[in-house]
Amino acid sequence: AQTVTQSQPEMSVQEAETVTLSCTYDTSESDYYLFWYKQPPSRQMILVIRQEAYKQQNATENRFSVNFQKAAKSFSLKISDSQLGDAAMYFCAYRRVNTDKLIFGTGTRLQVFP
Amino acid sequence: SAVISQKPSRDICQRGTSLTIQCQVDSQVTMMFWYRQQPGQSLTLIATANQGSEATYESGFVIDKFPISRPNLTFSTLTVSNMSPEDSSIYLCSGLGQGVTQYFGPGTRLLVL
Repeated sequence: AQTVTQSQPEMSVQEAETVTLSCTYDTSESDYYLFWYKQPPSRQMILVIRQEAYKQQNATENRFSVNFQKAAKSFSLKISDSQLGDAAMYFCAYRRVNTDKLIFGTGTRLQVFP
Repeated sequence: SAVISQKPSRDICQRGTSLTIQCQVDSQVTMMFWYRQQPGQSLTLIATANQGSEATYESGFVIDKFPISRPNLTFSTLTVSNMSPEDSSIYLCSGLGQGVTQYFGPGTRLLVL
């Protein structure tokens, strides 16, 4: 069975600095999708970034980028120039191609200090 | 992307009662899902809501406790039946369209006394 592991329950970063959140996963599949979702306190879960496993290039969305290491089954999220609004729970998620189910990690709570 | 709304946004209920949560998507989606998120924890999939047929439940969740309806492509309901304090959670609806990404509703915060 596929599993997703986020080994950092909590992280903190100073405003304008860079932080990296870790995610590893276990799968025997070669084709799949990986996601990072953000859930601010008492607010809606939103997609931060997505990576297709067949793509070698790391996905980037403005200040958010990933380091996708397929052989190592690692999918870390880098947040550059951190802002106070980045404070949230961040969930890593996996989805196998041709299925619809998302498998979530346990989440990392990110605090941003001014 | 799909915009998903849920009603109610929160509720406080007495044990032994039932609550029905509604989920509305602004555009047609192929798949709709219901998740439970217990305080401070990750999301657990309850079931996939199938249009016009019985939902597909994950291990540990049963139809008698969590009946689900999906009468059309943009609407679904989840009922939490015969509630106990252990059912206190956030319940989230999500939708998957033609693309790859699931979009989530704002959640329903349920407290059972």
